[in-house]
Amino acid sequence: EPEVTQTPSHQVTQMGQEVILRCVPISNHLYFYWYRQILGQKVEFLVSFYNNEISEKSEIFDDQFSVERPDGSNFTLKIRSTKLEDSAMYFCASSGQGVMNTEAFFGQGTRLTVV
Amino acid sequence: GIQVEQSPPDLILQEGANSTLRCNFSDSVNNLQWFHQNPWGQLINLFYIPSGTKQNGRLSATTVATERYSLLYISSSQTTDSGVYFCAAVEYGNKLVFGAGTILRVKS
Repeated sequence: EPEVTQTPSHQVTQMGQEVILRCVPISNHLYFYWYRQILGQKVEFLVSFYNNEISEKSEIFDDQFSVERPDGSNFTLKIRSTKLEDSAMYFCASSGQGVMNTEAFFGQGTRLTVV
Repeated sequence: GIQVEQSPPDLILQEGANSTLRCNFSDSVNNLQWFHQNPWGQLINLFYIPSGTKQNGRLSATTVATERYSLLYISSSQTTDSGVYFCAAVEYGNKLVFGAGTILRVKS
């Protein structure tokens, strides 16, 4: 069964360092997303991406964050200068159409720890 | 934007018991999904159910869109059902809004 895959599973980084989280969405999907979950809290939307551009973003997704689809299969989230409060589980998701009309599928997550 | 409220926040069951989890949303929705977050943190899709009723094994879900709620039924619970159950809704735009979740513990 097709699935969304994320790498790495865990990442520990020093405060102020740049990190790139990687995702391979389901191959025929056109819409891509990043969500995050701070430990013990609800899952929060960060950004949606369609047709090589951001279609929607939350207040959390400030200038420190960026997304890119560098090739036909990968979708990345970059955090430019990590802060302690960026520690969270980051989920990538994809859907065939926009989530108003279809189901979104999530990857297994990358647990980011900023020390 | 839409508010998604889940109840109960915590639930402890004896193995074999049945349960009902509820998800209320503040406005009409275009999408409603249920997820199970396992102990490793993975979000597992359970149901895509903007309206109507669906069943998958021991789990079933019903969404009554006109009354702005969805229910997830777990029958004959097993210890592997433990984890956090989230519902998430889309009112408009391209984002899922998650509830705070129900933490389910099934004891053997």
